[in-house]
Amino acid sequence: QVQLVQSGAEVKKPGASVKVSCKASGYTFTDYYIHWVRQAPGQGLEWMGWINPNSDDTNYAQKFQGRVTMSRDTSINTAYMELSRLESDDTAMYYCARDQWLDVWGQGTTVTVSS
Amino acid sequence: QSALTQPASVSGSPGQSITISCTGTSSDVGGYSYVSWYQHHPGKAPKLVIYEVTNRPSGVSDRFSGSKSGNTASLAISGLQAEDEADYYCTSYTSSSTLVFGGGTKLTVL
Repeated sequence: QVQLVQSGAEVKKPGASVKVSCKASGYTFTDYYIHWVRQAPGQGLEWMGWINPNSDDTNYAQKFQGRVTMSRDTSINTAYMELSRLESDDTAMYYCARDQWLDVWGQGTTVTVSS
Repeated sequence: QSALTQPASVSGSPGQSITISCTGTSSDVGGYSYVSWYQHHPGKAPKLVIYEVTNRPSGVSDRFSGSKSGNTASLAISGLQAEDEADYYCTSYTSSSTLVFGGGTKLTVL
């Protein structure tokens, strides 16, 4: 079946970087964009950006430009989201999701930023 | 890009119908037929319930329906059931080739 499996929880200190992975299976990885979405505690869903696994093109939300990098490795059907210069406000659940309709979601990765 | 505007909360009794609105601009909701809706139960990943304004994914109950008029999209749920209690979010494609979410609406089934 189609699924996205994300890497495990992370705890980081302020100023550090985090890299979350999202492994796709059950479909042709390069046929669908991967989007990244986050939800901070008590807050709503927030779109971060997308990557086209076929072309490696990316498009980031203005809020994260300069701090986020999305990449992929087509040999292992995996997309990555790296967020740098972490602050406490980056503490959130991070999700990857497939296609413009976000029709399939990963299980989420908790990122905690704390000194 | 500002978030789309949704009511913070709506409620209804079992069997009743409710509607959740999602208001944007001509650069997002009003300009494209790329509006989607998601159901989000706490502790679980969000679930797509409506895409491309009116379409239901396979397996989603026909009690869920979507529509759009101008810059406002709407999600309707008929025959409310206890399991429908969740947070609901809309999204839209934008003129910058990005996505934007609504602020979310908490649905309470009384």
